Amino acid sequence: GQSLEQPSEVTAVEGAIVQINCTYQTSGFYGLSWYQQHDGGAPTFLSYNALDGLEETGRFSSFLSRSDSYGYLLLQELQMKDSASYFCAVRADNYGQNFVFGPGTRLSVLP
Amino acid sequence: ETGVTQTPRHLVMGMTNKKSLKCEQHLGHNAMYWYKQSAKKPLELMFVYNFKEQTENNSVPSRFSPECPNSSHLFLHLHTLQPEDSALYLCASSQVLAGSTDTQYFGPGTRLTVL
Repeated sequence: GQSLEQPSEVTAVEGAIVQINCTYQTSGFYGLSWYQQHDGGAPTFLSYNALDGLEETGRFSSFLSRSDSYGYLLLQELQMKDSASYFCAVRADNYGQNFVFGPGTRLSVLP
Repeated sequence: ETGVTQTPRHLVMGMTNKKSLKCEQHLGHNAMYWYKQSAKKPLELMFVYNFKEQTENNSVPSRFSPECPNSSHLFLHLHTLQPEDSALYLCASSQVLAGSTDTQYFGPGTRLTVL
């Protein structure tokens, strides 16, 4: 089967740095994406990695190691508004027809 | 109107009812998706339409029936549902090209409750 694993919950304080890990086991791999979802809201795209290495977008960075089937999302200078669920997702085919999502990590940012 | 819209936002139905969920994307994308989001479970991809053709059906029960009349509209027809079908149903769209990034744009979802 296909599966992604993430920690269920992470807690940190404002201004801190937090890393959310994602390991995957899928039939194919064509990219790892991260999405943020606030309570009652829709998932919104954060970042994407197709190749190994680090992608940086403002306070958020995402890393991928295809040999380890592993990636992470790094959130820096945490703010209260970052409290949300974060999902990793793998595109398992080359034409966007097979996406597999992780169970999500609930991030709580404390004052 | 921009982005991906879904109607209704909330729906309560009995097990013998027939209802439809509607999704519309204003982004010019060529692919649309239906996902189911249940509490404590990952997002589950239900159906994929690429250029209006259904290309994926992940073993979804026949009581869910999708329809894609054009590249901007997607429906999910519901009938004889079960209480365990209660969930948030999300629609998404993307511009699918081989080797492209994976940005999916999600609608706000329909919160479905089956009594």
